[in-house]
Amino acid sequence: AQSVTQLDSQVPVFEEAPVELRCNYSSSVSVYLFWYVQYPNQGLQLLLKYLSGSTLVKGINGFEAEFNKSQTSFHLRKPSVHISDTAEYFCAVSDWTNFNKFYFGSGTKLNVKP
Amino acid sequence: NAGVTQTPKFQVLKTGQSMTLQCAQDMNHNSMYWYRQDPGMGLRLIYYSASEGTTDKGEVPNGYNVSRLNKREFSLRLESAAPSQTSVYFCASSPSGSSDTQYFGPGTRLTVL
Repeated sequence: AQSVTQLDSQVPVFEEAPVELRCNYSSSVSVYLFWYVQYPNQGLQLLLKYLSGSTLVKGINGFEAEFNKSQTSFHLRKPSVHISDTAEYFCAVSDWTNFNKFYFGSGTKLNVKP
Repeated sequence: NAGVTQTPKFQVLKTGQSMTLQCAQDMNHNSMYWYRQDPGMGLRLIYYSASEGTTDKGEVPNGYNVSRLNKREFSLRLESAAPSQTSVYFCASSPSGSSDTQYFGPGTRLTVL
């Protein structure tokens, strides 16, 4: 089974500062990687995903992530955050050997301060 | 389109009671999923259904049963609720499998006393 590690449970940051949310996964087989965002009292929605090809993936709301196979990482970045980015962010992994099984990290709460 | 809908939004049960959480999607998706979300643990897959008529266990299936009633509906049943099942439950759907975006419902907050 896969495991997904999000080392930072909370990340405080000031508005307009850059941010990086870290995600590492365990599998050495080919994987699909996702970042989801959860706003308070809502379900999750997709920010971006990596399936294949270019290792730099751009998503909605100015977020991007870079797939690093050698380090088994998929860190999420944004060059300048807004108050509205305050939410919880989840990294998720699936692989083609376990069709339909997804593994989520424990989440990182991003708190953007004015 | 409503997307993924879940009922009820909130529920309080006593230990030993049973209940069914309902989920429906109107996107003609083949795959549907049930997750539970607990603080500090992210989302854990309970059961999934790759297509109408099939269901499979996820990471934490014990204490739960599911039914894929038709392509639209996927229900989760707790036969004898336990306090350890206090959680927020999310249903999701996707077009097919592991490379697809999942679309999540708004969640059901369940408390078992």
